[in-house]
Amino acid sequence: AAGVIQSPRHLIKEKRETATLKCYPIPRHDTVYWYQQGPGQDPQFLISFYEKMQSDKGSIPDRFSAQQFSDYHSELNMSSLELGDSALYFCASSNSRGQVYGYTFGSGTRLTVV
Amino acid sequence: AQSVTQLGSHVSVSEGALVLLRCNYSSSVPPYLFWYVQYPNQGLQLLLKYTSAATLVKGINGFEAEFKKSETSFHLTKPSAHMSDAAEYFCAVSVRDDKIIFGKGTRLHILP
Repeated sequence: AAGVIQSPRHLIKEKRETATLKCYPIPRHDTVYWYQQGPGQDPQFLISFYEKMQSDKGSIPDRFSAQQFSDYHSELNMSSLELGDSALYFCASSNSRGQVYGYTFGSGTRLTVV
Repeated sequence: AQSVTQLGSHVSVSEGALVLLRCNYSSSVPPYLFWYVQYPNQGLQLLLKYTSAATLVKGINGFEAEFKKSETSFHLTKPSAHMSDAAEYFCAVSVRDDKIIFGKGTRLHILP
């Protein structure tokens, strides 16, 4: 079965650079969630989109922005990177805001800021 | 707001022994509850979920969890631990169509 695809798997950036993470949800899933997991931490909710509109916002820094496109894939844009942004970034998708079956997570993008 | 508390950041059990990972939730409305497993340098894999049907939920790899409203608990168990069960386990809660909120995680160590 198709899963949530995230790219790239690994990314190394320098401080103050910009990074773009991509997420391709499971076909027919209309909702995407982004999470950040720091080393040894639990995943923290960043932001979510439903039908291309932002549906919820968590602890996402102002330096970060995200959007969901017409094909339902989503991109997380991170600017002015800081060392503390080094983390595993997960994307998850579900098939409707009203039906929680346990989101399907991608394998994550490991971002290292040096 | 909903939340989950996992008791014990590290749990060690001997191979073949019972695994018990504790999770208590807080929610003002009936919650959806989940257990996810994360192996080193890997993503989050859904073990099982409670969505207001049967209170005893069976998941993959022999794990199960019981929803106890009176105790606001959703503990994860497995009768016999295997070395391959060593991983980080996250309890999580969601309310209807809201985001999933994770607990701090419990690292399970299996002793030979």
